[in-house]
Order: sequence, then structure tokens, then C-alpha cells
Amino acid sequence: SAVISQKPSRDICQRGTSLTIQCQVDSQVTMMFWYRQQPGQSLTLIATANQGSEATYESGFVIDKFPISRPNLTFSTLTVSNMSPEDSSIYLCSASQGNTEAFFGQGTRLTVV
Amino acid sequence: AQKVTQAQTEISVVEKEDVTLDCVYETRDTTYYLFWYKQPPSGELVFLIRRNSFDEQNEISGRYSWNFQKSTSSFNFTITASQVVDSAVYFCALSEMRSSASKIIFGSGTRLSIRP
Repeated sequence: SAVISQKPSRDICQRGTSLTIQCQVDSQVTMMFWYRQQPGQSLTLIATANQGSEATYESGFVIDKFPISRPNLTFSTLTVSNMSPEDSSIYLCSASQGNTEAFFGQGTRLTVV
Repeated sequence: AQKVTQAQTEISVVEKEDVTLDCVYETRDTTYYLFWYKQPPSGELVFLIRRNSFDEQNEISGRYSWNFQKSTSSFNFTITASQVVDSAVYFCALSEMRSSASKIIFGSGTRLSIRP
């Protein structure tokens, strides 16, 4: 199984600023994903982080707001830009290799004040 | 379109009782994966099981068991002799089956509280 580390684990940010979340996997993986979990809600996929190309965003999410990088097969970042209180959520990174179960990082708890 | 429905928003039982969490899914795909994840209060998402659409055999792992019925598009999860440590939010999820992994669609989750 893959071990996924996310940094930071939590942060409190001022509105209007940006936060970059890092996701490191202990092995090379085919696919990496970023999810958002708003308070008391389920997980919603933000985008698929593609290695060497632009991320694929789900409906309702745009690159200007959530730029994503994936420079190699073990690392990805998600930036939450120009934050507002509505961006307060848990952001989770997920990774999988081929037809295996998807593993998740411990999440980043973001509070925007 | 794919969809996962967990009709039970919250369940509360007394310790040692058995409890079943329901999951109904919709998909047009003939091949797919079903998952259950546990999210304890600490927030991390813990993988419990993955089942592919070809395999309808029920599975048991300790106090956990899963009942997959393709005919009713259900993938229910039963905890036997529940314990306080089982208190968490449980998510049922669905993904397509491809050569490379696909995105996972999550249900809304069931919050399970086990009272001592």
C-alpha cells in the first residue's frame, strides 16, 4: 500500500491569500487526485493531477482558483487561491496505482478567516 | 451518470449491537469497483474494502462483513458486536474499472455513533 503525506495538516489563513498544499507519495503512482470535503459533507473531486500535463478539473472547479502541479510520479501540489471563508474545508490528496484501492493522505484542514 | 446513495445520515447504537450501513449505487458501466472507507474524528480516510463488479461473493473480515448484491445495486456493510472505536463516518464509493485508476464517487456518508 502507498503512504501519502500531506503538508500542512492544518492552517488558518486570511481571506484573499493563497495556500499551497503538498502531497508526497512513498512510491510512484499512476494517478493522483485532489478532493475537497466541506464541513459535514462528503468528498467532492476537484481534479485529477496528470503527470507532465495540465490537471483535469471537475465541473465547478477551475484552474485559476485551484492550480495544481504534478512534476513527477510521487508529488503533487494544490493551491487554493484568493481564499474566502467558503473555502474552509478539508482538502485530501489521493493516489492509486493501476487497479488498486485508492489511498488518501491525512488531509489538510483549512480555515479561512 | 454514477451516483452513490447512503440514505442513513446518522445511526446510533449501543455497544455490542450489530449495525448495518446501507449503500445503493447507480452506474451505466458494466464493470466497476465499490469501496467502503472509514473517517474517524481525526479526519483521515481509512480504506476498508474494495470489491469489483465481477465478484458478488460476500466478504467477512473480523467483525466486518459486506453484502454485495448486483440485482439490487447494493453494497451493504455490517459491523457485528460494535465497539466504541467503530464510531466514525463511513463512506461508500464507486469508481469505473479501467486499465488506469479512475476517480472515485463518494456517497454522502453515514455517521455511526456507538454508545458505551
